[in-house]
Amino acid sequence: EDQVTQSPEALRLQEGESSSLNCSYTVSGLRGLFWYRQDPGKGPEFLFTLYSAGEEKEKERLKATLTKKESFLHITAPKPEDSATYLCAVQTSQGGSEKLVFGKGTKLTVNP
Amino acid sequence: ETGVTQTPRHLVMGMTNKKSLKCEQHLGHNAMYWYKQSAKKPLELMFVYNFKEQTENNSVPSRFSPECPNSSHLFLHLHTLQPEDSALYLCASSQVEGHGEETQYFGPGTRLLVL
Repeated sequence: EDQVTQSPEALRLQEGESSSLNCSYTVSGLRGLFWYRQDPGKGPEFLFTLYSAGEEKEKERLKATLTKKESFLHITAPKPEDSATYLCAVQTSQGGSEKLVFGKGTKLTVNP
Repeated sequence: ETGVTQTPRHLVMGMTNKKSLKCEQHLGHNAMYWYKQSAKKPLELMFVYNFKEQTENNSVPSRFSPECPNSSHLFLHLHTLQPEDSALYLCASSQVEGHGEETQYFGPGTRLLVL
């Protein structure tokens, strides 16, 4: 069964304190790995898609990386506005290409 | 704004009511989805429509009834719901071409409370 596990469940950082969020996955056929950001009471906002091991993508203070078993979302010098829940999802080739399997998310709080 | 709108944003209903959630996408996509998001649980895929045809129903109770009249509009009809159905209901859309990136873009959600 396809599975996505995110850790930690919650993370508190001071402004400027860099860290990483982890997403480990077990899937039968990875088509892509997605990172989303979700603010309270809102829908997930798309951040990145990664397709193959070794791939990296960056956007402002965020950098996503991918290996054969996990992905990391690195946050460099975070600001309070980076506080949100970060969701990881994998797109699998089994059961239809439209299917995304989500993790429970990591709730990030950045204190000023 | 992601190009996916949902109405209403908030809904309170009794267990005997009938209501409908509406989703509209302005992205020209050919696939639309309904997800349920409950506290402490991952997003759960409920229904998938690809080219207006339902391609997936993840064992969702019959008290939830989807409708997709065209590739831009998606409805979720609700009747005789239970309190445990209270959650954030999210609509998403994507362009399905059978290869490569199929990023799903989400609407803001409808917060549903069943009393």
